[in-house]
Amino acid sequence: NAGVTQTPKFQVLKTGQSMTLQCAQDMNHEYMSWYRQDPGMGLRLIHYSVGAGITDQGEVPNGYNVSRSTTEDFPLRLLSAAPSQTSVYFCASSYSNGVGGYTFGSGTRLTVV
Amino acid sequence: GDSVTQMEGPVTLSEEAFLTINCTYTATGYPSLFWYVQYPGEGLQLLLKATKADDKGSNKGFEATYRKETTSFHLEKGSVQVSDSAVYFCALSGDNTNAGKSTFGDGTTLTVKP
Repeated sequence: NAGVTQTPKFQVLKTGQSMTLQCAQDMNHEYMSWYRQDPGMGLRLIHYSVGAGITDQGEVPNGYNVSRSTTEDFPLRLLSAAPSQTSVYFCASSYSNGVGGYTFGSGTRLTVV
Repeated sequence: GDSVTQMEGPVTLSEEAFLTINCTYTATGYPSLFWYVQYPGEGLQLLLKATKADDKGSNKGFEATYRKETTSFHLEKGSVQVSDSAVYFCALSGDNTNAGKSTFGDGTTLTVKP
């Protein structure tokens, strides 16, 4: 049981480059979310999905796109990287709307130079 | 909107000391409450949870009680160990009107010294 798998673990981008952060879960969870973690700011919700084909914006969605074509996968796309997107990104999933708690991936540390 | 306020850190304790990390919340409806722990270089792990008023969540010697009258969910442990050094996050998940969203506190860093 792998849980939530994020790739890559580390990434350095140049300003203006695009990339996709991958997230996959093998627990048949309906709910998946992307958070970013910055020092002194806790976790902030970027986008979330309540099931395949359904996504919605969170607190800080600008500069990011998501899609959910399958239950298992929830990739996060950075359209044109900016230094302000330097952060640690976490993907999380849950059976329900988080009432039972989330399972988190181990994170992707992204640096934009 | 929903919010979670955690006791500011960092917190430094000696081994076997008593731990309390305060957490209060603001939410509509009847949220579920959680404590997560994050060890260095890792993702968050669910530590304990409570889904209704007066419920007590417990795990690995940690406890927290859902107090609706004071809107609090304070984390406690009677005797901390060096291995408990980590960042602790209080969080809530709203009822079905906020499906898919959880709100997290800013985290409290705990360091336990031998």
